[in-house]
Amino acid sequence: NAGVTQTPKFQVLKTGQSMTLQCAQDMNHEYMSWYRQDPGMGLRLIHYSVGAGITDQGEVPNGYNVSRSTTEDFPLRLLSAAPSQTSVYFCASSFIGTGIGYTFGSGTRLTVV
Amino acid sequence: AQSVTQLGSHVSVSEGALVLLRCNYSSSVPPYLFWYVQYPNQGLQLLLKYTSAATLVKGINGFEAEFKKSETSFHLTKPSAHMSDAAEYFCAVSDQGDYKLSFGAGTTVTVRA
Repeated sequence: NAGVTQTPKFQVLKTGQSMTLQCAQDMNHEYMSWYRQDPGMGLRLIHYSVGAGITDQGEVPNGYNVSRSTTEDFPLRLLSAAPSQTSVYFCASSFIGTGIGYTFGSGTRLTVV
Repeated sequence: AQSVTQLGSHVSVSEGALVLLRCNYSSSVPPYLFWYVQYPNQGLQLLLKYTSAATLVKGINGFEAEFKKSETSFHLTKPSAHMSDAAEYFCAVSDQGDYKLSFGAGTTVTVRA
């Protein structure tokens, strides 16, 4: 089925470890983004991309890195995990400017101990 | 940048009663507006959207929302709540033609039997 695929679904990291959260979409969407969801704070934008080779920072980019080498993939890298990065991470994608809304992945629940 | 305010972080309704979730946006220029639903341990799913066509928008699962420019509001309603409506609901906004969404903090709906 077409959509946004995120892996892994769950992850436990130790403080200081690094890891990559994977996101792939098969809808040829130009726009892809990463959000983190924390209780009572809604969704906060981490990084986004409007096409291959183009990325930019969102509201809470510190401690995260992204790249976009293809239209389909938009991985999120945690450089040195901290307990404050314990959260649920969502990847979302859409066409640009159409107002059709985002398609979300099912999320990655990350715990940093 | 656009922003949204969701009034009430928790709403409790009886099964069969009206569901009313409030959302106000910040801009004087009509934006694109969206409501998303998140069921436990799942990603966000688009309920409905306003993109400057009809001001009363019908969505999935019997939900609808009315865009009121004079009140800068986009409240979500459902005439008769069902147990399956228990979820978290997010209002989101973007400028017309833009790709970045700003999300409200969310409203958790519980449905009492």
